[in-house]
Amino acid sequence: GDSVTQMEGPVTLSEEAFLTINCTYTATGYPSLFWYVQYPGEGLQLLLKATKADDKGSNKGFEATYRKETTSFHLEKGSVQVSDSAVYFCALRVGRDDKIIFGKGTRLHILP
Amino acid sequence: NAGVTQTPKFRVLKTGQSMTLLCAQDMNHEYMYWYRQDPGMGLRLIHYSVGEGTTAKGEVPDGYNVSRLKKQNFLLGLESAAPSQTSVYFCASSLGSQPQHFGDGTRLSIL
Repeated sequence: GDSVTQMEGPVTLSEEAFLTINCTYTATGYPSLFWYVQYPGEGLQLLLKATKADDKGSNKGFEATYRKETTSFHLEKGSVQVSDSAVYFCALRVGRDDKIIFGKGTRLHILP
Repeated sequence: NAGVTQTPKFRVLKTGQSMTLLCAQDMNHEYMYWYRQDPGMGLRLIHYSVGEGTTAKGEVPDGYNVSRLKKQNFLLGLESAAPSQTSVYFCASSLGSQPQHFGDGTRLSIL
């Protein structure tokens, strides 16, 4: 079935470091791909999305490119900040019911 | 902007008690969803609704019931709470193929 696999955390980095959080997927058809972010005590917020192969989603300095050949949607940021500390979820959407399948989440800690 | 509002935010129940979680959205979204979030498990879909008066089962529906009598509200019920239902519950809504909007969650503990 359809699924999302993302790297396990926690990931701990120093401020201004380069960030990569890996995400791969398995899906029938042509899914849309998402990254959501969850700050402490809050719900999930959409960070970025891509709807077709080779699309690049970007927001707040984060980027991810929809790679159909490697079924991947890795999240990257060139210089992280303490305020980026959160849990990040990779997700895909399939089917007419708009259901989303989430990865298990990656907790990110940024040290000052 | 209210967006998606969940009530209550916290609740402690005893095993066997019943309760209803309320989700309300003011964005005129057709689709609504209930998830549970557990450590190391990500979010799992409990039930969802593609329109007023319709509901469908998600990945982990057992022990829960839902109702969508009004377009703006989606209720999640626990008829007889069990400790395994201790979790954080999130409601979400969306319009067609647009991304889902989430509420801030309900933290539920079953003793």
